[in-house]
Amino acid sequence: KNEVEQSPQNLTAQEGEFITINCSYSVGISALHWLQQHPGGGIVSLFMLSSGKKKHGRLIATINIQEKHSSLHITASHPRDSAVYICAVGGGNQGAQKLVFGQGTRLTINP
Amino acid sequence: ETGVTQTPRHLVMGMTNKKSLKCEQHLGHNAMYWYKQSAKKPLELMFVYNFKEQTENNSVPSRFSPECPNSSHLFLHLHTLQPEDSALYLCASSQDGFLAGGFWETQYFGPGTRLLVL
Repeated sequence: KNEVEQSPQNLTAQEGEFITINCSYSVGISALHWLQQHPGGGIVSLFMLSSGKKKHGRLIATINIQEKHSSLHITASHPRDSAVYICAVGGGNQGAQKLVFGQGTRLTINP
Repeated sequence: ETGVTQTPRHLVMGMTNKKSLKCEQHLGHNAMYWYKQSAKKPLELMFVYNFKEQTENNSVPSRFSPECPNSSHLFLHLHTLQPEDSALYLCASSQDGFLAGGFWETQYFGPGTRLLVL
Protein backbone atom coordinates (compact mmCIF):
# COMPACT_ATOMS: atom_id res chain seq x y z
CA LYS A 1 0.00 0.00 0.00
CA ASN A 2 1.39 3.41 -0.97
CA GLU A 3 1.98 5.95 1.77
CA VAL A 4 -0.06 8.46 -0.23
CA GLU A 5 -3.23 7.29 -1.94
CA GLN A 6 -5.34 9.38 -4.27
CA SER A 7 -8.85 8.74 -5.48
CA PRO A 8 -10.18 8.50 -8.02
CA GLN A 9 -7.31 7.63 -10.35
CA ASN A 10 -9.28 8.87 -13.34
CA LEU A 11 -12.20 11.28 -13.44
CA THR A 12 -14.21 12.49 -16.39
CA ALA A 13 -16.85 15.17 -15.96
CA GLN A 14 -18.83 17.71 -17.92
CA GLU A 15 -18.00 21.38 -17.97
CA GLY A 16 -19.53 23.16 -15.00
CA GLU A 17 -19.53 20.19 -12.63
CA PHE A 18 -18.13 20.36 -9.09
CA ILE A 19 -15.02 18.22 -8.84
CA THR A 20 -13.53 16.55 -5.77
CA ILE A 21 -10.22 14.72 -5.66
CA ASN A 22 -9.17 12.97 -2.46
CA CYS A 23 -5.80 12.26 -0.89
CA SER A 24 -5.16 10.02 2.10
CA TYR A 25 -1.77 9.50 3.68
CA SER A 26 -0.42 7.17 6.30
CA VAL A 27 2.61 9.08 7.55
CA GLY A 28 3.11 12.05 9.80
CA ILE A 29 3.62 15.24 7.84
CA SER A 30 4.30 18.92 8.28
CA ALA A 31 2.90 20.02 4.92
CA LEU A 32 0.83 18.73 2.02
CA HIS A 33 0.98 19.97 -1.56
CA TRP A 34 -1.45 19.81 -4.41
CA LEU A 35 0.27 19.95 -7.79
CA GLN A 36 -1.16 20.24 -11.30
CA GLN A 37 0.64 18.57 -14.18
CA HIS A 38 -0.37 19.51 -17.72
CA PRO A 39 0.11 17.35 -20.81
CA GLY A 40 3.77 17.62 -21.76
CA GLY A 41 4.93 17.39 -18.17
CA GLY A 42 5.02 20.90 -16.73
CA ILE A 43 4.03 20.99 -13.04
CA VAL A 44 2.47 23.87 -11.19
CA SER A 45 2.23 24.02 -7.43
CA LEU A 46 -1.40 24.84 -6.56
CA PHE A 47 -1.46 24.75 -2.78
CA MET A 48 0.73 24.09 0.19
CA LEU A 49 -1.18 23.60 3.40
CA SER A 50 -0.66 22.21 6.86
CA SER A 51 -4.09 22.85 8.35
CA GLY A 52 -7.56 24.08 7.52
CA LYS A 53 -8.53 25.33 4.10
CA LYS A 54 -7.15 27.45 1.27
CA LYS A 55 -8.88 28.95 -1.76
CA HIS A 56 -7.48 30.26 -5.04
CA GLY A 57 -10.12 31.28 -7.54
CA ARG A 58 -12.20 28.19 -8.36
CA LEU A 59 -9.86 25.86 -6.48
CA ILE A 60 -10.29 24.94 -2.83
CA ALA A 61 -8.04 22.66 -0.79
CA THR A 62 -8.82 21.29 2.65
CA ILE A 63 -6.86 19.14 5.03
CA ASN A 64 -7.81 17.19 8.15
CA ILE A 65 -4.63 16.37 10.02
CA GLN A 66 -6.34 14.04 12.50
CA GLU A 67 -7.91 11.97 9.73
CA LYS A 68 -4.80 12.26 7.49
CA HIS A 69 -6.93 13.31 4.57
CA SER A 70 -7.02 16.18 2.12
CA SER A 71 -9.39 17.12 -0.67
CA LEU A 72 -9.02 19.32 -3.72
CA HIS A 73 -12.23 20.84 -5.05
CA ILE A 74 -12.81 22.58 -8.36
CA THR A 75 -15.96 24.63 -8.74
CA ALA A 76 -17.52 25.40 -12.14
CA SER A 77 -15.03 23.10 -13.88
CA HIS A 78 -13.74 24.03 -17.32
CA PRO A 79 -11.98 22.02 -20.05
CA ARG A 80 -8.75 23.89 -19.28
CA ASP A 81 -8.81 22.25 -15.84
CA SER A 82 -8.04 18.95 -17.58
CA ALA A 83 -4.73 17.77 -16.14
CA VAL A 84 -3.21 15.33 -13.68
CA TYR A 85 -3.54 16.44 -10.07
CA ILE A 86 -0.90 15.18 -7.67
CA CYS A 87 -0.95 15.11 -3.89
CA ALA A 88 2.41 15.14 -2.13
CA VAL A 89 3.37 15.13 1.53
CA GLY A 90 6.58 15.99 3.27
CA GLY A 91 8.24 16.59 6.58
CA GLY A 92 6.93 15.25 9.88
CA ASN A 93 8.34 11.90 10.86
CA GLN A 94 9.55 11.35 7.31
CA GLY A 95 12.43 13.69 7.97
CA ALA A 96 12.95 17.17 6.64
CA GLN A 97 13.93 16.06 3.17
CA LYS A 98 11.63 13.13 2.48
CA LEU A 99 8.89 13.74 -0.04
CA VAL A 100 6.21 11.23 -0.93
CA PHE A 101 3.89 11.61 -3.89
CA GLY A 102 0.56 10.12 -4.76
CA GLN A 103 0.06 8.45 -8.11
CA GLY A 104 -2.01 11.32 -9.43
CA THR A 105 -5.61 11.76 -10.55
CA ARG A 106 -6.21 12.30 -14.25
CA LEU A 107 -9.06 14.77 -14.69
CA THR A 108 -10.80 15.29 -18.02
CA ILE A 109 -13.45 17.98 -18.36
CA ASN A 110 -15.55 17.69 -21.49
CA PRO A 111 -17.19 20.76 -23.03
CA GLU B 1 6.97 31.36 -18.10
CA THR B 2 7.87 29.35 -15.03
CA GLY B 3 11.29 30.79 -14.29
CA VAL B 4 12.76 27.28 -14.38
CA THR B 5 14.04 26.07 -17.73
CA GLN B 6 15.27 22.65 -18.74
CA THR B 7 17.22 21.50 -21.78
CA PRO B 8 16.88 19.46 -23.81
CA ARG B 9 13.13 18.92 -23.75
CA HIS B 10 13.47 15.54 -25.42
CA LEU B 11 16.42 13.16 -25.51
CA VAL B 12 16.94 9.75 -27.06
CA MET B 13 20.10 7.92 -26.10
CA GLY B 14 21.65 4.50 -26.32
CA MET B 15 22.73 2.53 -23.28
CA THR B 16 26.41 3.28 -23.94
CA ASN B 17 25.97 7.02 -24.46
CA LYS B 18 26.86 9.81 -22.04
CA LYS B 19 24.56 12.80 -21.93
CA SER B 20 23.67 15.62 -19.55
CA LEU B 21 20.42 17.29 -18.61
CA LYS B 22 20.52 20.96 -17.71
CA CYS B 23 18.30 22.99 -15.44
CA GLU B 24 18.46 26.73 -14.88
CA GLN B 25 16.36 28.83 -12.55
CA HIS B 26 15.94 32.59 -12.80
CA LEU B 27 14.14 33.03 -9.48
CA GLY B 28 17.05 33.67 -7.13
CA HIS B 29 16.32 30.45 -5.25
CA ASN B 30 18.86 28.56 -3.14
CA ALA B 31 17.53 25.01 -3.43
CA MET B 32 17.20 22.82 -6.52
CA TYR B 33 15.81 19.35 -7.04
CA TRP B 34 15.80 16.52 -9.56
CA TYR B 35 12.70 14.32 -9.86
CA LYS B 36 11.96 11.27 -11.96
CA GLN B 37 8.48 10.50 -13.25
CA SER B 38 8.02 7.11 -14.84
CA ALA B 39 4.87 6.05 -16.65
CA LYS B 40 2.04 5.22 -14.25
CA LYS B 41 4.25 5.71 -11.17
CA PRO B 42 4.34 8.53 -8.63
CA LEU B 43 6.94 11.23 -8.82
CA GLU B 44 10.22 10.24 -7.20
CA LEU B 45 12.61 12.70 -5.63
CA MET B 46 16.16 11.94 -6.75
CA PHE B 47 18.47 14.66 -5.47
CA VAL B 48 18.26 17.83 -3.42
CA TYR B 49 20.78 20.66 -3.40
CA ASN B 50 20.70 23.41 -0.78
CA PHE B 51 23.11 26.29 -1.38
CA LYS B 52 25.03 24.16 -3.93
CA GLU B 53 25.51 21.31 -1.44
CA GLN B 54 23.84 17.97 -2.02
CA THR B 55 21.66 17.25 0.98
CA GLU B 56 19.62 14.34 -0.29
CA ASN B 57 20.28 11.32 -2.47
CA ASN B 58 17.27 9.04 -2.53
CA SER B 59 19.16 5.80 -3.25
CA VAL B 60 19.70 6.79 -6.85
CA PRO B 61 21.97 4.51 -8.92
CA SER B 62 25.44 5.87 -9.65
CA ARG B 63 24.72 6.00 -13.38
CA PHE B 64 22.94 9.26 -12.49
CA SER B 65 25.41 11.92 -11.37
CA PRO B 66 24.19 15.37 -10.33
CA GLU B 67 26.23 18.55 -10.42
CA CYS B 68 25.35 21.95 -9.00
CA PRO B 69 28.04 24.51 -9.93
CA ASN B 70 26.05 27.44 -8.54
CA SER B 71 22.63 28.18 -7.10
CA SER B 72 21.13 28.85 -10.53
CA HIS B 73 22.27 25.77 -12.40
CA LEU B 74 21.78 22.06 -11.91
CA PHE B 75 22.95 19.25 -14.14
CA LEU B 76 22.18 15.56 -14.28
CA HIS B 77 24.90 13.57 -15.98
CA LEU B 78 23.77 10.29 -17.46
CA HIS B 79 25.93 7.30 -18.42
CA THR B 80 25.29 3.65 -19.21
CA LEU B 81 21.59 4.02 -18.61
CA GLN B 82 19.08 1.21 -18.87
CA PRO B 83 15.81 1.18 -20.81
CA GLU B 84 13.91 1.31 -17.50
CA ASP B 85 15.47 4.72 -16.90
CA SER B 86 13.25 6.11 -19.64
CA ALA B 87 11.08 8.70 -17.94
CA LEU B 88 10.30 12.37 -17.56
CA TYR B 89 12.99 14.10 -15.53
CA LEU B 90 11.81 17.21 -13.77
CA CYS B 91 13.84 19.94 -12.15
CA ALA B 92 12.46 22.22 -9.47
CA SER B 93 13.68 25.05 -7.27
CA SER B 94 12.59 26.69 -4.04
CA GLN B 95 13.67 29.70 -2.03
CA ASP B 96 15.71 28.17 0.76
CA GLY B 97 15.11 24.45 0.67
CA PHE B 98 14.10 22.45 3.66
CA LEU B 99 14.47 24.27 6.91
CA ALA B 100 15.15 22.57 10.21
CA GLY B 101 11.95 21.02 11.51
CA GLY B 102 10.67 19.73 8.18
CA PHE B 103 8.94 22.81 6.85
CA TRP B 104 8.45 22.40 3.12
CA GLU B 105 8.16 25.50 0.99
CA THR B 106 6.64 25.87 -2.45
CA GLN B 107 8.66 24.41 -5.30
CA TYR B 108 8.65 25.72 -8.85
CA PHE B 109 8.97 23.11 -11.56
CA GLY B 110 10.55 23.18 -14.97
CA PRO B 111 8.86 21.64 -18.03
CA GLY B 112 10.89 18.45 -17.82
CA THR B 113 13.12 16.44 -20.14
CA ARG B 114 11.49 13.40 -21.67
CA LEU B 115 14.22 10.75 -21.90
CA LEU B 116 14.09 7.57 -23.95
CA VAL B 117 16.84 5.01 -23.50
CA LEU B 118 17.14 2.50 -26.30
